[in-house]
Amino acid sequence: GESVGLHLPTLSVQEGDNSIINCAYSNSASDYFIWYKQESGKGPQFIIDIRSNMDKRQGQRVTVLLNKTVKHLSLQIAATQPGDSAVYFCAENTGTSYGKLTFGQGTILTVHP
Amino acid sequence: DSGVTQTPKHLITATGQRVTLRCSPRSGDLSVYWYQQSLDQGLQFLIQYYNGEERAKGNILERFSAQQFPDLHSELNLSSLELGDSALYFCASGQNTDTQYFGPGTRLTVL
Repeated sequence: GESVGLHLPTLSVQEGDNSIINCAYSNSASDYFIWYKQESGKGPQFIIDIRSNMDKRQGQRVTVLLNKTVKHLSLQIAATQPGDSAVYFCAENTGTSYGKLTFGQGTILTVHP
Repeated sequence: DSGVTQTPKHLITATGQRVTLRCSPRSGDLSVYWYQQSLDQGLQFLIQYYNGEERAKGNILERFSAQQFPDLHSELNLSSLELGDSALYFCASGQNTDTQYFGPGTRLTVL
């Protein structure tokens, strides 16, 4: 069945460090993946996405890596800042389910000054 | 600001009541998606509308229904409310299979 799970529920880093948030998915048919950031009291905010025909995609201070062989997704945040503290969700879309996203449980990232 | 608006921001009501949550998608987006976020279930997809028609259904209860109007705004109707319906309800919009942009959510509290 479709499921997305995260290895680590919490991650604490020092300001300036690089952060890596991991996500495992189980649906081989998933072809589109998104990372969202959710701050307290707000809706999920789009960070970066990647399609299954890519292994890596870079944005501003963020990189998403996709390993289809082991069905693993990661989000790398460079030079993490206190403003990056939030819950991070990965989500997958099989493409055949008309845009339905299946979300992972989320990872709490805490950045210490 | 994602461009998606939701009203009201907070809603407090009693068990057995009915409420309506409203969502206005980003300009140009034809799809509207509804999600429920609770502490024990995480973010769960409820239902999707595309250009006025229901396109996909998730784990939406029969007590819940939604519709999308000609101007593309959407409403989620929750009836016979139970304590367990207390949650954050998010609307997202986008094109059919592309990135979804989320609104700020409606926090529903059922007492």
